[in-house]
Amino acid sequence: DSGVTQTPKHLITATGQRVTLRCSPRSGDLSVYWYQQSLDQGLQFLIQYYNGEERAKGNILERFSAQQFPDLHSELNLSSLELGDSALYFCASSGYGRAGTQYFGPGTRLTVL
Amino acid sequence: DAKTTQPTSMDCAEGRAANLPCNHSTISGNEYVYWYRQIHSQGPQYIIHGLKNNETNEMASLIITEDRKSSTLILPHATLRDTAVYYCIVRNYGGSQGNLIFGKGTKLSVKP
Repeated sequence: DSGVTQTPKHLITATGQRVTLRCSPRSGDLSVYWYQQSLDQGLQFLIQYYNGEERAKGNILERFSAQQFPDLHSELNLSSLELGDSALYFCASSGYGRAGTQYFGPGTRLTVL
Repeated sequence: DAKTTQPTSMDCAEGRAANLPCNHSTISGNEYVYWYRQIHSQGPQYIIHGLKNNETNEMASLIITEDRKSSTLILPHATLRDTAVYYCIVRNYGGSQGNLIFGKGTKLSVKP
C-alpha cells in the first residue's frame, strides 16, 4: 500500500460526458502528479500540482483540467470525453524536495463507450 | 533528462537472481538512476535509486558502473510476484518539480 488513494476504481461513461477523478496523496506529501496509461501510449505525464499550485504540465489535453485543494487532495476533470480517453489514470505523490521518488495510487480505469 | 535503453523482455527462474540492465550513456553529473516497476495494471512502484555508489534496500540492489553510463537492478531471489515491467529512469534527484519519464521498460517474466 503506497498510501495514495484514488477513487473511483472503475468508471464507465459515454462519449461527450464529463467525469472527475479524485486522488488523496500520502500524508505530508505536497506534490501530486497525474499520469495517463493507455495501451498504445504507455505511461504519460499529464500535470503536477505542488501545494495547491500548478507546477508542471505535460501532454494534457485542453479538455482535461486538474486542481489541488487546500487539504492537498487533487481532482482531475475530463470533459467532452472521447473513445480514445479510455485509459488508466494514475495519481502519484512525492515529498518536499524528492520529486524523483513518487508513490503511485492504484489508478482509476476509465472506459468511454 | 537523459534517455535510457533497456531490453524489451527477460526471463528468470524462480529463486534465482534477476539482473536487469539499463544503459544511460548520456547521464549528467547531477542525475540519479531510479527504478520503478509495474505489476500488471497496478500503479507503478518505486524500487530504488542511486547516484554513483551501489545501493541496496529490502527489495533490490542497484549497481552503477564507475563511468555511470549503465546500471543493473538485481532482484536477489526472484519470485513469481516479481513478474512485472521494470522501468529505469534517469533524472535529477529532488526539487519540487518534474515528472517521471517512463520508457517501455523491461518485461520480466519469472517462471517456476
